[in-house]
Amino acid sequence: ETGVTQTPRHLVMGMTNKKSLKCEQHLGHNAMYWYKQSAKKPLELMFVYNFKEQTENNSVPSRFSPECPNSSHLFLHLHTLQPEDSALYLCASSQDQGGTRNTIYFGEGSWLTVV
Amino acid sequence: AQSVTQLGSHVSVSEGALVLLRCNYSSSVPPYLFWYVQYPNQGLQLLLKYTSAATLVKGINGFEAEFKKSETSFHLTKPSAHMSDAAEYFCAVSEGNQFYFGTGTSLTVIP
Repeated sequence: ETGVTQTPRHLVMGMTNKKSLKCEQHLGHNAMYWYKQSAKKPLELMFVYNFKEQTENNSVPSRFSPECPNSSHLFLHLHTLQPEDSALYLCASSQDQGGTRNTIYFGEGSWLTVV
Repeated sequence: AQSVTQLGSHVSVSEGALVLLRCNYSSSVPPYLFWYVQYPNQGLQLLLKYTSAATLVKGINGFEAEFKKSETSFHLTKPSAHMSDAAEYFCAVSEGNQFYFGTGTSLTVIP
């Protein structure tokens, strides 16, 4: 069992659909992250949750809506997406958001295609 | 804010040759430094990390990196490349409560 599990691994959705990405971490960490990875672009931090509280929102469009019901689970709710939102979405976790002492661990990613 | 620079977005080496992937960071305070590897269609996997215990850090799969404060560098090396090393490599820095990632270097290994 990997430390950070993401489902689904692949998702194709239309621009009017509503879907969700799920992330679960089994590492006992308190901080969880969503990153977006597009072709030929740097990793983009989208959201950070620390002890279930959102601490970072990097100007992400409202069509992306995160939810963190507890320290082990993180969701990314998707609605009315655009084709340019097609990317690999990576979930990650760390002990807490005190980055200096922590290592960030990634899931396998969810490939999203918006048609 | 911290910045991480990876020189060379693409590096090609022959199988058995030395691998050298470059990373420079901008902080004046020694941060915590990481190298991650991303194989095709997978997430990022930790290769190694520097946390001030020793300047030469050994990681998985025969990789190592050396922290050089005077050069603000943390270059990744492997003495002999293997076909299975073909992947994208990311350097990362943590400072305060933030992680900063480089833009990645794609390593191609030529048989």
